[in-house]
Amino acid sequence: AQSVAQPEDQVNVAEGNPLTVKCTYSVSGNPYLFWYVQYPNRGLQFLLKYITGDNLVKGSYGFEAEFNKSQTSFHLKKPSALVSDSALYFCAVRDSLPTGRRALTFGSGTRLQVQP
Amino acid sequence: DAGVIQSPRHEVTEMGQEVTLRCKPISGHDYLFWYRQTMMRGLELLIYFNNNVPIDDSGMPEDRFSAKMPNASFSTLKIQPSEPRDSAVYFCASSLFLTQASTDTQYFGPGTRLTVL
Repeated sequence: AQSVAQPEDQVNVAEGNPLTVKCTYSVSGNPYLFWYVQYPNRGLQFLLKYITGDNLVKGSYGFEAEFNKSQTSFHLKKPSALVSDSALYFCAVRDSLPTGRRALTFGSGTRLQVQP
Repeated sequence: DAGVIQSPRHEVTEMGQEVTLRCKPISGHDYLFWYRQTMMRGLELLIYFNNNVPIDDSGMPEDRFSAKMPNASFSTLKIQPSEPRDSAVYFCASSLFLTQASTDTQYFGPGTRLTVL
């Protein structure tokens, strides 16, 4: 079975400072990893994904994520946080097997609060 | 592209009533997913379709829930009879499978917030 852990319910950071939202995963075989963001009363918006190749993935709105196979992690990062980045962030995984389940397994979410 | 469209956006009903949620996926997408979001259980898959055929319904809670996809541009999720514990936000998502090496990204609709009194 596959699973995702987001160890922090909330992350607080000052505007202009770098931010990191943590994610670790468990999956059979090689993972496909995703980050989504959810603003209040909105659906999930896709930020970025890792399939294969470079361990550093760049996505929307200046976000990036680093895949670390040995630590089974896929942490979300941004060099300089904006107040408008305040939202709920979800990490998700699915396995890469051709016959694998195509649905995503989500973490519990991390609320990012950026203070002015 | 209008994205994934869901209706209604909000639904308030009384226990025992039938509820139907609707979804229009992104045109051309061949996978459609229904997820449910609650405070207690987070985001969880209910069912997904490929080319209108249900592939995995292991997340459907019980027989009160049913989902259909009569054509490539429309899907419904029905709850009959509804119960207060069904109160949640229900999301529909769609994706397009290109090749195994180019994994499909799921795009989500705005969700339907269901309240069962």
